[in-house]
This record gives sequence, structure tokens and C-alpha cells, in this order.
Amino acid sequence: EAQVTQNPRYLITVTGKKLTVTCSQNMNHEYMSWYRQDPGLGLRQIYYSMNVEVTDKGDVPEGYKVSRKEKRNFPLILESPSPNQTSLYFCASSVTQGYEQFFGPGTRLTVL
Amino acid sequence: AQSVTQLGSHVSVSEGALVLLRCNYSSSVPPYLFWYVQYPNQGLQLLLKYTSAATLVKGINGFEAEFKKSETSFHLTKPSAHMSDAAEYFCAVRGGSNYKLTFGKGTLLTVNP
Repeated sequence: EAQVTQNPRYLITVTGKKLTVTCSQNMNHEYMSWYRQDPGLGLRQIYYSMNVEVTDKGDVPEGYKVSRKEKRNFPLILESPSPNQTSLYFCASSVTQGYEQFFGPGTRLTVL
Repeated sequence: AQSVTQLGSHVSVSEGALVLLRCNYSSSVPPYLFWYVQYPNQGLQLLLKYTSAATLVKGINGFEAEFKKSETSFHLTKPSAHMSDAAEYFCAVRGGSNYKLTFGKGTLLTVNP
């Protein structure tokens, strides 16, 4: 089954404790992206990757890091999480930029 | 840069009534346009897309949308709402030189019995 998976689905952590949210797709897509969803603000792009080893900032990249060492994986790293990063995070992938994106189920992160 | 405006953050309809969710866009290049639906506690899934072919696009679950270039609109409609349509709906546009996908802020659809 074609899908985008994210782990964990739910995470409660404390300020400053480094964490990684994993994202994996099995569709051989070149393009992958991370979004955060906040009430009243819709989806905002954090980082995206056009292909392996090619990443770039989205609209709200501060406080986040990403890497793309393999085509299927695109982890999101929060090196020192803060409460304002409490949000619902989505990973998405598509054949290439600008085409239909397939979304993961989301990761709900709470930073205390 | 491209942008998307969804008019109405919350729309409430009765079961069986017409659903109309509004989306206006701006784009410096011919756009691709998408509607996504998000059911509670789930990710987004594609409802339908416009990619410069037919201006009236049919999607899943009885939804359709019409691309109107003169009005820069891509409104989503369904003739008869069902309780299972209750969800949040997002309009998105691909535009600009880098083909970035930009999402609207979403419209929450409530269906009353």
C-alpha cells in the first residue's frame, strides 16, 4: 500500500530535550516536505527536499533541522524544543514539487 | 508569490443542503489547484485537482469544483451534504517559478442533522 508513515504519532516532551520525528514514504517520490498545522493558521511549510541531499527552508524553518540521506526518509529534528513548537506536524511527499502531495497521519507534539 | 484565500473559516449546513466552500487564488503563472479534506485525527487527503484540462473537476465523495480564471476562483461544491462530510477542507495552489504548493487556512464544515 502506497503511504507516508510518521513516528511517533503523539509525543509529550520538555523544553530543550532534543527529539526527532521520522517520516518515510514507499512511493519513490523525489519531493518531501514538513508542515505544521496550528488553529487559524492552516498549514505552514517548515522545510522541503527536492531530492536526496537537497533540502531548503520553507516559511517557518526556525528551530528545526532536516536531512535527506535516503530517498524514502525525511526526518524532522528539533534540537532544543520550545513550547511555541507545540503543534500538529505533517510530512508529505509527491512525485516532484508542485504535484499532488500525499500526507502522513500527523504527529501531535506537546512541549512543556 | 502565489496566495490562497478561503472565505469563511467555518461553514455550517444542514444534511441534504448544498455545500459551497469558497477559494480564491492569486498566481503569476497558470495555476494548478487542489482541494484536500482532513477528517478528525487524520492527515490530509486529496479530494480533487485542476491541472489545466477541463475547468469543471469532479472528485471523490460527490464533490466537484470549477476553475474560473476571470474570477480567480476554485470553489468546492456538493449538491447534498452528508453527515460524513463534516471535516476541514483546504484549498491549495501551485504557482510561481518554483512550483511551490501554498495552502489556504482551511474551512471547517459542520453538517447538522
